[in-house]
Amino acid sequence: AQSVSQHNHHVILSEAASLELGCNYSYGGTVNLFWYVQYPGQHLQLLLKYFSGDPLVKGIKGFEAEFIKSKFSFNLRKPSVQWSDTAEYFCAVSATDSWGKFQFGAGTQVVVTP
Amino acid sequence: NAGVTQTPKFQVLKTGQSMTLQCAQDMNHNSMYWYRQDPGMGLRLIYYSASEGTTDKGEVPNGYNVSRLNKREFSLRLESAAPSQTSVYFCASRPTGQSNYEQYFGPGTRLTVT
Repeated sequence: AQSVSQHNHHVILSEAASLELGCNYSYGGTVNLFWYVQYPGQHLQLLLKYFSGDPLVKGIKGFEAEFIKSKFSFNLRKPSVQWSDTAEYFCAVSATDSWGKFQFGAGTQVVVTP
Repeated sequence: NAGVTQTPKFQVLKTGQSMTLQCAQDMNHNSMYWYRQDPGMGLRLIYYSASEGTTDKGEVPNGYNVSRLNKREFSLRLESAAPSQTSVYFCASRPTGQSNYEQYFGPGTRLTVT
């Protein structure tokens, strides 16, 4: 069975600080990896995804993530956060043979202070 | 396109009451999913439907039933609501054909069971 672990439950940052959110998964086969964001009161939106090729993927709003296969990790980064990045961030994994079933991490609540 | 829509947005039930959460998508997606979101636990899959006419249990199916009414609609029923079912419920859909497709989420239903 797949599992996803997000390292931090809450992160508080000042504007312009750099952000890195950790995500590790356990699964023996080939996976697709996703980061979703949930702004306050809204539904989940896709930030970026990785399925093959360049392990450094770029997403919307200046976010990027790096897939390190040997570490089973898919960490999310943003060099300089803004107040509008205050949200909850979810890492998700989908095995390529799983009928599109996703396993989500517990989420990281990020608060950016002005 | 409206994407994924859910009704109602909010609902308060008394213990033992029943209700059906409705979900519809207009993106011609084959697969649909129901999740519940609880603080610190991320999103947990309740049921999914890989294609019209099929449904399968997810991680936390107890106390729920689903119906894939047609390709567009996937409803979630609580037969006898319990306080432990207080949660935010999200419906999602996804095209099939390639394993790397992401899921698209609806706005959620916030359910309180007293």
